[in-house]
Amino acid sequence: AQSVTQLDSHVSVSEGTPVLLRCNYSSSYSPSLFWYVQHPNKGLQLLLKYTSAATLVKGINGFEAEFKKSETSFHLTKPSAHMSDAAEYFCVGGGYQKVTFGTGTKLQVIP
Amino acid sequence: DTGVSQDPRHKITKRGQNVTFRCDPISEHNRLYWYRQTLGQGPEFLTYFQNEAQLEKSRLLSDRFSAERPKGSFSTLEIQRTEQGDSAMYLCASSLAGLAGRETQYFGPGTRLLVL
Repeated sequence: AQSVTQLDSHVSVSEGTPVLLRCNYSSSYSPSLFWYVQHPNKGLQLLLKYTSAATLVKGINGFEAEFKKSETSFHLTKPSAHMSDAAEYFCVGGGYQKVTFGTGTKLQVIP
Repeated sequence: DTGVSQDPRHKITKRGQNVTFRCDPISEHNRLYWYRQTLGQGPEFLTYFQNEAQLEKSRLLSDRFSAERPKGSFSTLEIQRTEQGDSAMYLCASSLAGLAGRETQYFGPGTRLLVL
């Protein structure tokens, strides 16, 4: 079975400081993992995707995520938050026939 | 715009009425997914098609829900005898064939349904 757990429902950071959004996964096989972002009243946009080619995955808008098998984690990071990063972020696990979304983390960026 | 489109973007209906939503995927994509997202939750898988074949349906998809993709292009999701609990955002996504569930899905803007 494939499932993901997002550890924080809300994260608040100051503009210009690092962002860390946490995601743990459980899978009985090699997982596919994704991070999507959803801005208010907008559709889901893919940030990045892990498919076992490289453990450090770089995405759009300066985001990256590292797959750590020993910790069963796929945390999303960004060195310096921008106001436009304020949104909801979903960690997604890809499994047989379908994907499973985490419950989401709302990122607030304080000026 | 060549992304996934959904129509309508918003729908308000009275309990007991039927509603139908449409999704137009990216043209070369052969897989199409439907999800439901309620307030404060992540999207939940409802069903998916490969070409015109409906290959998987979630237990969330009650008998009042039906989805079609008659020519393997656009898809419709119909809800009969709507209930207030059906109020949600209905999301459509499409993808190019790969291992189902592992390929990148591209999402539309969603249809927000409110049942009064």
